[in-house]
Amino acid sequence: QVQLKESGPGLVQPSQTLSLTCTVSGFSLTSYNVHWVRQPPGKGLEWMGRMRYNGDTSYNSALKSRLSISRDTSKNQVFLKMNSLQTDDTGTYYCTRDLPGTHWGQGVMVTVSS
Amino acid sequence: DIVMTQSPSSLAVSAGETVTINCKSSQSLLSSGNQKNYLAWYQQKPGQSPKLLIYLASTRESGVPDRFIGSGSGTDFTLTISSVQAEDLADYYCQQHYSYPRTFGGGTKLELK
Repeated sequence: QVQLKESGPGLVQPSQTLSLTCTVSGFSLTSYNVHWVRQPPGKGLEWMGRMRYNGDTSYNSALKSRLSISRDTSKNQVFLKMNSLQTDDTGTYYCTRDLPGTHWGQGVMVTVSS
Repeated sequence: DIVMTQSPSSLAVSAGETVTINCKSSQSLLSSGNQKNYLAWYQQKPGQSPKLLIYLASTRESGVPDRFIGSGSGTDFTLTISSVQAEDLADYYCQQHYSYPRTFGGGTKLELK
């Protein structure tokens, strides 16, 4: 069955770089898009960016200067890297197959704090 | 970027009531090519990932109860939940899938009266 699972550090220091991995199963990254969405505690959803099935990427313009999304199709993984983290980057980070999409990861909580 | 504005931000309801959540987009989400509106609705319960309820404004995702009804066109959309049940208490978000960047509404919290 289709599954996505986010992984990464729970705590990141301010000004450092966040690296997250979305490991997928049950489908091919060369057939479906994978998106990253984040949610600050108690707040709404924010689209971050997309890895298209053909390897193209799209980014939220507000994050574009800090954000990079890549993939390793042989490992069924999509990566998110975001630099210059600040406290307002704290939140839960999700990957999802397609958007709108039925299949979401469980999310990974990231806290930016010294 | 398309701005999505949801109202109300919170709503207190009793079981059995019918509720309406509104979503307005800053640009039309209607495709002139196929006459489809690219608007989705999600439900999110505490500690859970969002769950897709409706896409293309009115198409219910498989397994979603028929008490969830999406409607609207152009820039104005509505999610109606008829005969609200306790399990429907959650946050609801609209999201446009007409163009990039994808954008979400601010959310509506459905609470028990």
